Amino acid sequence: AQSVTQPDIHITVSEGASLELRCNYSYGATPYLFWYVQSPGQGLQLLLKYFSGDTLVQGIKGFEAEFKRSQSSFNLRKPSVHWSDAAEYFCAVGASNYQLIWGAGTKLIIKP
Amino acid sequence: DTAVSQTPKYLVTQMGNDKSIKCEQNLGHDTMYWYKQDSKKFLKIMFSYNNKELIINETVPNRFSPKSPDKAHLNLHINSLELGDSAVYFCASTNGLATNNEQFFGPGTRLTVL
Repeated sequence: AQSVTQPDIHITVSEGASLELRCNYSYGATPYLFWYVQSPGQGLQLLLKYFSGDTLVQGIKGFEAEFKRSQSSFNLRKPSVHWSDAAEYFCAVGASNYQLIWGAGTKLIIKP
Repeated sequence: DTAVSQTPKYLVTQMGNDKSIKCEQNLGHDTMYWYKQDSKKFLKIMFSYNNKELIINETVPNRFSPKSPDKAHLNLHINSLELGDSAVYFCASTNGLATNNEQFFGPGTRLTVL
């Protein structure tokens, strides 16, 4: 069955430190992979997506993600976080039945 | 210029009432969705319409009835509201049916059932 796992419910990072949010997926074919961000009280916004080609994709707000087929992972990274990055982050995979399969989300907390 | 808008933003109501949430997108998309986000932030798709035709109808109580009067609008009517319906409801839109397209989300409607 298709699924997305975000193992960390929440992560706390100091401002200026690097960040990695984990995402593992289960999907039979080459997946379409996404990271979305939800700021407090807001809707979701696309950070980046992977379909094919270069396995390191760049997104908005200085985020990047790397697709690793052998590990079924699509981890999100940022070299230096800012207080404004505090939000909920969702990983998703495009499924075959017209919809996205969503992870449970990871809440990012920034320490000053 | 709001791309995907929802009204109302907040909705507080009593159990047993009937309420509607409206969604409009001005992006020219032909596919729209309703999602429910529970208190643990888990996102669950409820419905999807493509060109006013229902294409996704997940396991949702039949008290929930979507309606798409045109491609730019997707409304959600809820009958006989229950405590468990309390959640944030998001509307989203995209172009086409392919799952490699970005979905654009509205700001959400926070429904509280007392």
